[in-house]
Amino acid sequence: KQEVTQIPAALSVPEGENLVLNCSFTDSAIYNLQWFRQDPGKGLTSLLLIQSSQREQTSGRLNASLDKSSGRSTLYIAASQPGDSATYLCAVIDDYKLSFGAGTTVTVRA
Amino acid sequence: EAGVAQSPRYKIIEKRQSVAFWCNPISGHATLYWYQQILGQGPKLLIQFQNNGVVDDSQLPKDRFSAERLKGVDSTLKIQPAKLEDSAVYLCASSLQEVGTEAFFGQGTRLTVV
Repeated sequence: KQEVTQIPAALSVPEGENLVLNCSFTDSAIYNLQWFRQDPGKGLTSLLLIQSSQREQTSGRLNASLDKSSGRSTLYIAASQPGDSATYLCAVIDDYKLSFGAGTTVTVRA
Repeated sequence: EAGVAQSPRYKIIEKRQSVAFWCNPISGHATLYWYQQILGQGPKLLIQFQNNGVVDDSQLPKDRFSAERLKGVDSTLKIQPAKLEDSAVYLCASSLQEVGTEAFFGQGTRLTVV
């Protein structure tokens, strides 16, 4: 059974600092990995999808890396802003489903 | 492109009552998922449909939960009777194919059982 872990559970940084969010998974036989953002009381917004053949994916200030062999993915958010405050979830796609971590709740202080 | 639509957004019921949630996926998406998200936890898969068929319902509490997907499009998730521990956000998601493609989520239904 796939186990997905996100550390730390919470993070607070001053505006402008770079964010580093970690995701680890136990079974490296995955298809893809997807990062999501969740605002309080809202659904999940897809940020990036990294295919298993890729090592990284970029979108604007966001960059996600994937190392299947070590079972790790990292989401980097450059020059954080207060609007980046949210919970960030990673999901591993294997077999037919997404398996989620518990998320990292980020607070960016103005 | 319209996103995944869910209703209602919020529901409060008493324990032992029944409740139903509705989901309309993105047009053309063959795969539909229902997830349960308890406060402070990541979403947990309840059931996955590929068109009309069930791909995975191994974590669905079948004594009280049921789900169907009508004509491979809309889906309903029902709880009968509800328990206090069913209080959670119920998320619906859809994707184009069954394996590996990007999943898109709706806004969720927040259920409170009192």
